[in-house]
Amino acid sequence: EAGVAQSPRYKIIEKRQSVAFWCNPISGHATLYWYQQILGQGPKLLIQFQNNGVVDDSQLPKDRFSAERLKGVDSTLKIQPAKLEDSAVYLCASSLDRAQGAREQYFGPGTRLTVT
Amino acid sequence: GNSVTQMEGPVTLSEEAFLTINCTYTATGYPSLFWYVQYPGEGLQLLLKATKADDKGSNKGFEATYRKETTSFHLEKGSVQVSDSAVYFCALTDNQGGKLIFGQGTELSVKP
Repeated sequence: EAGVAQSPRYKIIEKRQSVAFWCNPISGHATLYWYQQILGQGPKLLIQFQNNGVVDDSQLPKDRFSAERLKGVDSTLKIQPAKLEDSAVYLCASSLDRAQGAREQYFGPGTRLTVT
Repeated sequence: GNSVTQMEGPVTLSEEAFLTINCTYTATGYPSLFWYVQYPGEGLQLLLKATKADDKGSNKGFEATYRKETTSFHLEKGSVQVSDSAVYFCALTDNQGGKLIFGQGTELSVKP
């Protein structure tokens, strides 16, 4: 079974530029999560989707961050414009459904973003 | 709100030493508790979990027991190996299928 796929793995941009990250969850997984992991900290949830609907985006900085999951499968996270403090690893995770998500989430390798 | 606190690292041990990484939590209700591990250059992997009080999660020689009376979920291993060098994260969910809430992580370095 293929795992959670993310691309790109690394990205370097200048502040005020835009960037997008892509995530393809495990086949059949209805719930998708985006986490932000700043160096030296634990991951923090940015947004959670159930199929193509948003369940929780309370910690998403909506003035610059956006995310979509139009067909309920893969997802894109965008930052526009980027700030220096957005430098982090962006992790995508998925679970079969919300109930399984309470027991186990499967993580992708992450995208490391550096904003200069 | 819900939160997780881990002992700070880095922790440096010699091979075959005993490992304890402390984790305490604050939560309403009855959360599920997890330990995730992140090896260098890799993504997060679930190491073990416990879903109710007094449950013991175990995997690869690691163990942790869900202690509701002390709100703790300490990670232990009797004899660490160099290959255990990684960052370990304690986490919880609220059992509503929502977000994982992580501690800040503890870096473990095991020397031969």
